[in-house]
Amino acid sequence: DQQVKQNSPSLSVQEGRISILNCDYTNSMFDYFLWYKKYPAEGPTFLISISSIKDKNEDGRFTVFLNKSAKHLSLHIVPSQPGDSAVYFCAAKGRGSNYKLTFGKGTLLTVNP
Amino acid sequence: DTAVSQTPKYLVTQMGNDKSIKCEQNLGHDTMYWYKQDSKKFLKIMFSYNNKELIINETVPNRFSPKSPDKAHLNLHINSLELGDSAVYFCASSQEGWRGAVTDTQYFGPGTRLTVL
Repeated sequence: DQQVKQNSPSLSVQEGRISILNCDYTNSMFDYFLWYKKYPAEGPTFLISISSIKDKNEDGRFTVFLNKSAKHLSLHIVPSQPGDSAVYFCAAKGRGSNYKLTFGKGTLLTVNP
Repeated sequence: DTAVSQTPKYLVTQMGNDKSIKCEQNLGHDTMYWYKQDSKKFLKIMFSYNNKELIINETVPNRFSPKSPDKAHLNLHINSLELGDSAVYFCASSQEGWRGAVTDTQYFGPGTRLTVL
């Protein structure tokens, strides 16, 4: 059962525009959410996170929004740069899952120059 | 100065063989993990060790045996390799793991691509 879902396997945007990556979750015990970025042949790299007590967290060009009632989060990248091209994984965890990270399948973002 | 390193990066072997993957972290973290990324691209946790103690074992077959000689190392030994074991295996570490805050962040190694022929 997929507790974390990323329904878009890929996304293509123009350099300078906004990239919006979406993630849905089903487990109401999740209370911490993370985005990881992964380049080919490398491990996932932590990008940004958000606690369930917040609805927004911003770090430079990256902003994560959390809608708890909809069990939905999104990652906004503004402005998008070619170096942002990678696979983005949404992940979630909580005390109910013994802090185990549950990952989505990832979304491949391609930023075109 | 790699934070989480894994060896080898690629491993090609025959069915039935026994192989090991090594992982080391120099971050001073207390907790280490093994993840498997299968052909469907899901990253799933296999094991977690906190200060050499097994914390999480996610119903992984007995053929997989993690070994943690010290808190900076977590090796993965696989016996009697099967075709379905072909995957990318990632090691990760975090400061506190299950004892700590839910905000504890995991840092991943570069992965080992295992191909079983």
